[in-house]
Amino acid sequence: DSGVTQTPKHLITATGQRVTLRCSPRSGDLSVYWYQQSLDQGLQFLIQYYNGEERAKGNILERFSAQQFPDLHSELNLSSLELGDSALYFCASSGSGRPTGELFFGEGSRLTVL
Amino acid sequence: DQQVKQNSPSLSVQEGRISILNCDYTNSMFDYFLWYKKYPAEGPTFLISISSIKDKNEDGRFTVFLNKSAKHLSLHIVPSQPGDSAVYFCAARVGATNKLIFGTGTLLAVQP
Repeated sequence: DSGVTQTPKHLITATGQRVTLRCSPRSGDLSVYWYQQSLDQGLQFLIQYYNGEERAKGNILERFSAQQFPDLHSELNLSSLELGDSALYFCASSGSGRPTGELFFGEGSRLTVL
Repeated sequence: DQQVKQNSPSLSVQEGRISILNCDYTNSMFDYFLWYKKYPAEGPTFLISISSIKDKNEDGRFTVFLNKSAKHLSLHIVPSQPGDSAVYFCAARVGATNKLIFGTGTLLAVQP
C-alpha cells in the first residue's frame, strides 16, 4: 500500500461527458502528480501541483484540468470526453525529504469512454 | 519527443538466470534515474534509483548501471525469480520540478 488513494477505480462513460478523478496523497506529501497510461504506452506526465499551486505542466489537453485543494487532495477533471481518452490515470505524490525523486503511485483510475 | 526510451517491449528469462533491462535517454539534464515495477491492476512501485553522478547502485538482487557517455542505463536482476514477472519502467527525473519522465516499459516474464 503506497498510501496514495485514488477514486473511482473504474469508470465507464460516454463520449462528450465529463468526469472527475480524485486523489488523496500520502500523509504529509505536498506534491501531487497526474499521469496517463494509454494502451501500450508509458506513463505520460500530465500535471504537477505543489501545496495548492501548479508546478509543472506536461502533455495535458485543454479539455483536462486539475486542482489541488487546501487539504492537499487533488482532482483531475476530464471534459468533452473522446474515445481516445480511455486510459489508466495515475496519481502520485512525493515529499520534500527524498532526494532521489521517488514518487508514490496510487492504484489508478481506469476510464473507459464508449 | 520521447526523451526516455525502452526499446524492448518484452523479455523472457529462465528462473535463476540474469535479467537485463535497458533504457536510453536523450536529455543530459536529468539528475536521477529510477526503475519502477508494475503488476497488473496495481500502480507502479519504486524499485531502485541512481544519481547521475554515479555509475552503479546495488540493492540486493537489483543493480542499476549508468553509462552517461552513451546516455544508457540498465537494470540487472540476479537471480531472476518468477515473482519478478512484471512490467518495468525506466524513469528520469527533471530536477527542478521533481517530475519523472517515463519510458514505455518492458514486460519481463521469468519462466520457472
